[in-house]
Amino acid sequence: KNQVEQSPQSLIILEGKNCTLQCNYTVSPFSNLRWYKQDTGRGPVSLTIMTFSENTKSNGRYTATLDADTKQSSLHITASQLSDSASYICVVSVLTGANNLFFGTGTRLTVIP
Amino acid sequence: NAGVTQTPKFQVLKTGQSMTLQCAQDMNHNSMYWYRQDPGMGLRLIYYSASEGTTDKGEVPNGYNVSRLNKREFSLRLESAAPSQTSVYFCASSEASGTYGYTFGSGTRLTVV
Repeated sequence: KNQVEQSPQSLIILEGKNCTLQCNYTVSPFSNLRWYKQDTGRGPVSLTIMTFSENTKSNGRYTATLDADTKQSSLHITASQLSDSASYICVVSVLTGANNLFFGTGTRLTVIP
Repeated sequence: NAGVTQTPKFQVLKTGQSMTLQCAQDMNHNSMYWYRQDPGMGLRLIYYSASEGTTDKGEVPNGYNVSRLNKREFSLRLESAAPSQTSVYFCASSEASGTYGYTFGSGTRLTVV
């Protein structure tokens, strides 16, 4: 069964600290993995996208890693800011079909001053 | 460049009422999607349209209908709303392959009482 699991469900950190969010998947055949940021009351916005051959991708203070062998990904946020408070969603897509995205339930990150 | 525009942003319906959620994109994308987001669950695909003139069922299509009016617009209709359809609805679009990610609208929060 194609599944995407994220941990932790929620996380509270102090402003300026780093954090790492995890994503494990059992999706096959793998096409790519994306991390989205979803602010409260808004739609998801893409942060990074990685294919099978890529093991790291950065977007400013966000760095995503991918281990296709263990089917794990992480999103590392450096020097967190209050504006980083949001849900972070891991999305894995398969090679076949238009209905080919599998969404994790997200990690709710709260950055406090 | 507005991206994906959804209307309305909020709606309250009584059980049995009908309504149409509107979605328009200005990125010349071929593919459009309707998702619903419920607490504790990943986004689930309701219907999608791979190209103008075609529509297909996703994971949770029961109780919904869609119309791909033209390349820009993709509407979602609830013919007889039920409390189980209380959710946040997101429209998204992508170029045909989805390789470069999906662009999401800001969502419609629907409550059925």
